Amino acid sequence: QVQLVQSGAEVEKPGASVMVSCKASGYTFTNYYIHWVRQAPGQGLEWMGVVIPSSGATSYAQKFQDRVAMTTETSTSTIYMELSSLRFEDTAVYYCARDALITAPGNFDYWGQGTLVTVSS
Amino acid sequence: EIVLTQSPGTLSLSPGERATLSCRASRTVSHSYLAWYQQKRGQAPRLLIYGASSRATGIPDRFSGSGSGTDFTLTISRLEPEDFAVYYCQQYGNSPYTFGQGTKLESK
Repeated sequence: QVQLVQSGAEVEKPGASVMVSCKASGYTFTNYYIHWVRQAPGQGLEWMGVVIPSSGATSYAQKFQDRVAMTTETSTSTIYMELSSLRFEDTAVYYCARDALITAPGNFDYWGQGTLVTVSS
Repeated sequence: EIVLTQSPGTLSLSPGERATLSCRASRTVSHSYLAWYQQKRGQAPRLLIYGASSRATGIPDRFSGSGSGTDFTLTISRLEPEDFAVYYCQQYGNSPYTFGQGTKLESK
């Protein structure tokens, strides 16, 4: 069965960087895009960007363009999301999500369990 | 970017009743690339509807989606106890992909 398993919770100081991993299994890793979506406490969902595992190509929301990097490691079917220059408002649950690739890219059929990133001094 | 506005913010209904949730876009959603998700407390979202009206795999037929252009609706024909959750619409016709702020469906 398809699974996306994310790394554990992180606590970081303002200005630091955080890397969250997402290990995929149960499907052909290079056939599906992976997106990152975050959710601040008690808030809605925010799309951050997408990585295409077959090529490594990425597309980021402009809001995160200067601070985010999404990479893949095909040998282990793992996707990484690094967010730098952390601010208090980056405190959120970060999800990886597989693109369903139905009709068009951009809707998400499988999600990781989420990783809580807390930015605290 | 396309802003999605969901209404109502909270909907209080009883099991067995019909729920109608609205999602309005600030401009036309290309090709009706509009999805709906259900999120329960402490869980990741779950894809319900894509392409405005197509049910995702394994989604019961009491869930249906409709609409085009800027106005979309999610209907739950007869509420089951497990349907009480937060529902989000999402457009994927234009980047950045955006979500509505959510509608909380609560048990009366």
